[in-house]
Amino acid sequence: DTEVTQTPKHLVMGMTNKKSLKCEQHMGHRAMYWYKQKAKKPPELMFVYSYEKLSINESVPSRFSPECPNSSLLNLHLHALQPEDSALYLCASSPLGSGNTGELFFGEGSRLTVL
Amino acid sequence: AQSVTQLGSHVSVSEGALVLLRCNYSSSVPPYLFWYVQYPNQGLQLLLKYTTGATLVKGINGFEAEFKKSETSFHLTKPSAHMSDAAEYFCAVSDMKTSYDKVIFGPGTSLSVIP
Repeated sequence: DTEVTQTPKHLVMGMTNKKSLKCEQHMGHRAMYWYKQKAKKPPELMFVYSYEKLSINESVPSRFSPECPNSSLLNLHLHALQPEDSALYLCASSPLGSGNTGELFFGEGSRLTVL
Repeated sequence: AQSVTQLGSHVSVSEGALVLLRCNYSSSVPPYLFWYVQYPNQGLQLLLKYTTGATLVKGINGFEAEFKKSETSFHLTKPSAHMSDAAEYFCAVSDMKTSYDKVIFGPGTSLSVIP
């Protein structure tokens, strides 16, 4: 069982829709991540939040908007997406400080299809 | 800059045969090294990790890997393949001294197990 929970598991949206992906963890981790993964490819880092502040944005288009309301929650707001944005979106978390080895704890992902 | 290579994008083994998945990395400092497994339509799960200490690391599901600094390698092995081992395997490296937020993934190796 994963301790990082992502909802929804599947999402189909049109190019004019606004939707959100949600991620929750209760391991006390203070870093949270969004990754995008295409089929048969490694995850690509999109955003990193450290202590609820955005610390890394890997030049992601503005149609993707992350939000970290508190230390347990991470959202990814989607608007005006393109078909090429269809992918598996993975949330991950990790501890910070002395307990951090770089190990990532992943959710099961949200499969997004843009029509 | 760090990088990770995995020799062979696809590996096939017979059930009961040895599994060997290769991983080489480049890093200017001693890295932390990881192997993750991804089953179809799921997130990534940690198999094992090397941080410090013993260079032979044992993980879940009977897998192990050996860190060889002189060869900059971290190959994954399992003595006897099971059908359930069929999955995508990613080697990853993190450099805790320069960028704790970033984990670099290799391109992945798809493992097939033939009955």
